Amino acid sequence: AQSVTQPDIHITVSEGASLELRCNYSYGATPYLFWYVQSPGQGLQLLLKYFSGDTLVQGIKGFEAEFKRSQSSFNLRKPSVHWSDAAEYFCAVFNQAGTALIFGKGTTLSVSS
Amino acid sequence: DVKVTQSSRYLVKRTGEKVFLECVQDMDHENMFWYRQDPGLGLRLIYFSYDVKMKEKGDIPEGYSVSREKKERFSLILESASTNQTSMYLCASSASGQGNYSPLHFGNGTRLTVT
Repeated sequence: AQSVTQPDIHITVSEGASLELRCNYSYGATPYLFWYVQSPGQGLQLLLKYFSGDTLVQGIKGFEAEFKRSQSSFNLRKPSVHWSDAAEYFCAVFNQAGTALIFGKGTTLSVSS
Repeated sequence: DVKVTQSSRYLVKRTGEKVFLECVQDMDHENMFWYRQDPGLGLRLIYFSYDVKMKEKGDIPEGYSVSREKKERFSLILESASTNQTSMYLCASSASGQGNYSPLHFGNGTRLTVT
């Protein structure tokens, strides 16, 4: 069965520092991968998605993610974090039938000044 | 821009009550979803629907039912609310039919407390 693992429950990064959030997936074929962000009290907003093609995908708010098939990973990165990036981040993969998204348990990002 | 509207942000109900959570989307999307979000567990799929009057069970359907009488509206029903259903409920929609892998668009959630 498909699954998504986000190994880090909580990460704290200094403002202006770089960020990498880890995501590993379990999937038999080419996965359809997503990163979402959830600000406090809000719904989920799509940051970026990977379907095929270039393994480095660009998203909104200066985020990017790299798909590495050999490592079954889809890590989210940002070169310089802003205080407004403090939120919860979810990695997700479509199930094999393409019917619904399977989410990781999320990583909470705190930004220190 | 896609808008998914959940009718209540906060809801407090008593054990045993029948509870309706309403969700409306304005983009003529075929697919609609109900997820439950709990700390440390992420989002878990309760039910989804590809079309009017169609529904499919997700990973945790027990204690819930759904209704989709119109394309734009998808209701989650707790037949007899219990305290372990206290949670954040998120509705989502996406375009196209089954297998098209379109991104999901989420509402802002309904935080339900059952006392």
